[in-house]
Amino acid sequence: SQQGEEDPQALSIQEGENATMNCSYKTSINNLQWYRQNSGRGLVHLILIRSNEREKHSGRLRVTLDTSKKSSSLLITASRAADTASYFCATDPETSGSRLTFGEGTQLTVNP
Amino acid sequence: SQTIHQWPATLVQPVGSPLSLECTVEGTSNPNLYWYRQAAGRGLQLLFYSVGIGQISSEVPQNLSASRPQDRQFILSSKKLLLSDSGFYLCAWSSGAPRQFFGPGTRLTVL
Repeated sequence: SQQGEEDPQALSIQEGENATMNCSYKTSINNLQWYRQNSGRGLVHLILIRSNEREKHSGRLRVTLDTSKKSSSLLITASRAADTASYFCATDPETSGSRLTFGEGTQLTVNP
Repeated sequence: SQTIHQWPATLVQPVGSPLSLECTVEGTSNPNLYWYRQAAGRGLQLLFYSVGIGQISSEVPQNLSASRPQDRQFILSSKKLLLSDSGFYLCAWSSGAPRQFFGPGTRLTVL
């Protein structure tokens, strides 16, 4: 089974609305990260939440982590057309030795 | 500041031909280096990672190999490409901290 599975696979919203993406994972982790990828580009790190943290904010981003449910969510508030991209969660398992495991991603489309 | 370069940006190769993709990092020393492959619309699959010169760990058995001839240089190679090797190849580095920094990627099409 794959670590770090996002849902939904695709999300389409209007500018100004909030976008919520979820990630589930299977093993114990040191931390969980969210990355963004514009079409045909490399990934850009957005935010990291450690296993002993429950919520973290960065600008319009809010990340939650529930280690008992092995799940995380990424909320983007007041979305903009420029937020259109794929969003990936990546887990840093306790036994990984700094190797991340990426999910399949959520494709977010923000319509102007 | 640190930067990561990959080349070429795009590549079209016939089946059975060799492959060499290069990744270099500037502005840091002794980085951890990673090669990922991404199929269209999918997540990233870790192929190789390296914690030092000459130290390569392979995550999946396949038609590819990696080498690290210098501290900040990571090369992905194949002797004979397969159709299934097509994809988007991403190089990344980290300082040992969990966050990774990605290059712009190479789009490989094997015909």
